[in-house]
Amino acid sequence: KQEVTQIPAALSVPEGENLVLNCSFTDSAIYNLQWFRQDPGKGLTSLLLIQSSQREQTSGRLNASLDKSSGRSTLYIAASQPGDSATYLCAVTLFNQAGTALIFGKGTTLSVSS
Amino acid sequence: GAGVSQSPSNKVTEKGKDVELRCDPISGHTALYWYRQSLGQGLEFLIYFQGNSAPDKSGLPSDRFSAERTGGSVSTLTIQRTQQEDSAVYLCASSTFPRGRYNEQFFGPGTRLTVL
Repeated sequence: KQEVTQIPAALSVPEGENLVLNCSFTDSAIYNLQWFRQDPGKGLTSLLLIQSSQREQTSGRLNASLDKSSGRSTLYIAASQPGDSATYLCAVTLFNQAGTALIFGKGTTLSVSS
Repeated sequence: GAGVSQSPSNKVTEKGKDVELRCDPISGHTALYWYRQSLGQGLEFLIYFQGNSAPDKSGLPSDRFSAERTGGSVSTLTIQRTQQEDSAVYLCASSTFPRGRYNEQFFGPGTRLTVL
């Protein structure tokens, strides 16, 4: 059974710091991996999707990497800002269930202080 | 363009009553998903629609839960005889799969259900 783990569960940093959020998964046969942001009381906003054949994706100050063989992904946030404060969720789709469920980690709650 | 919309945004009901939650996916998205987010449980998959059929219902927690989709668009999730443990945020997502090969899912704002 695929399990997704995110470490740390919570993180507090001062504005301007670069930071890394970690995601690990137990079954390396994934179809893709998606990073989301969730603000309190809101739905999920898709940040980056990494296809199983890719090693990284970049969007603005965000960079996500994928190492399928070791079952790991990282989300790198450069020059953090208070507006980055939110919960960040990692999710995978299994290769043999393409098109179906995302399996989520429990998230990392980030607080960036000014 | 418009994103995924859900209604109502909040629903408070009494134990034992039935509730219906609605999802309007992004226009043209053939795949539609329901998830549930409970305190301490994280996000759990409930059901997946491709068009009007549901090839994967494996996440529905009991036979009190059912869902349908009509016209390849709007979906309704129905919970019968609600229990307090059904209290959660119910999230809907859609994607262009299988046309969009990598199944990027886009989420609605959710419906917060509270069962008293």
